Amino acid sequence: DTAVSQTPKYLVTQMGNDKSIKCEQNLGHDTMYWYKQDSKKFLKIMFSYNNKELIINETVPNRFSPKSPDKAHLNLHINSLELGDSAVYFCASSQAQYNEQFFGPGTRLTVL
Amino acid sequence: GENVEQHPSTLSVQEGDSAVIKCTYSDSASNYFPWYKQELGKGPQLIIDIRSNVGEKKDQRIAVTLNKTAKHFSLHITETQPEDSAVYFCAASMRANAGKSTFGDGTTLTVKP
Repeated sequence: DTAVSQTPKYLVTQMGNDKSIKCEQNLGHDTMYWYKQDSKKFLKIMFSYNNKELIINETVPNRFSPKSPDKAHLNLHINSLELGDSAVYFCASSQAQYNEQFFGPGTRLTVL
Repeated sequence: GENVEQHPSTLSVQEGDSAVIKCTYSDSASNYFPWYKQELGKGPQLIIDIRSNVGEKKDQRIAVTLNKTAKHFSLHITETQPEDSAVYFCAASMRANAGKSTFGDGTTLTVKP
């Protein structure tokens, strides 16, 4: 049983397109996150939701919009994709805001 | 905001040797310090964590030490094995900041057989 799953695993698209990445966790956790990992492996938090409520919103372009339909899902929609958006995006979840985070397998986004 | 510095960025050791990775943090309010291991093509996975009321924690070959006064914490891996080769991240978080974790830049550990 996969604890945190993401789809798709790979995403290749053209500049200017709009795309979505989906995340689901079956751990019963209250908090979910989106991270961006660039080519240098730096891991930066983008958003965090607790019980479907946005609690962390880092300095991320408005083109990125997270949506949490329920506690188990946190999706990421990206409008007008740019070359600099190419990265690996990780979804994660934790039981509370202050505990171990469980990461998904990542989605490698390539913008051409 | 919190700033976490991690050193070294790369570390190469012989199998059986010890490896030490160090992190410093800036905000004295941080009180939860996890370490994650990321294998190639996978997401990070927690290997050990420590809270600020503890100075040291050990789990088999892995140990973490915390010096709150100096605001630094370290990961120690003894008797390294080739399967320890991965990228290691330290992080710092505090309850007051919605539990936001600030990650170090990562250390690529290579264990040579």
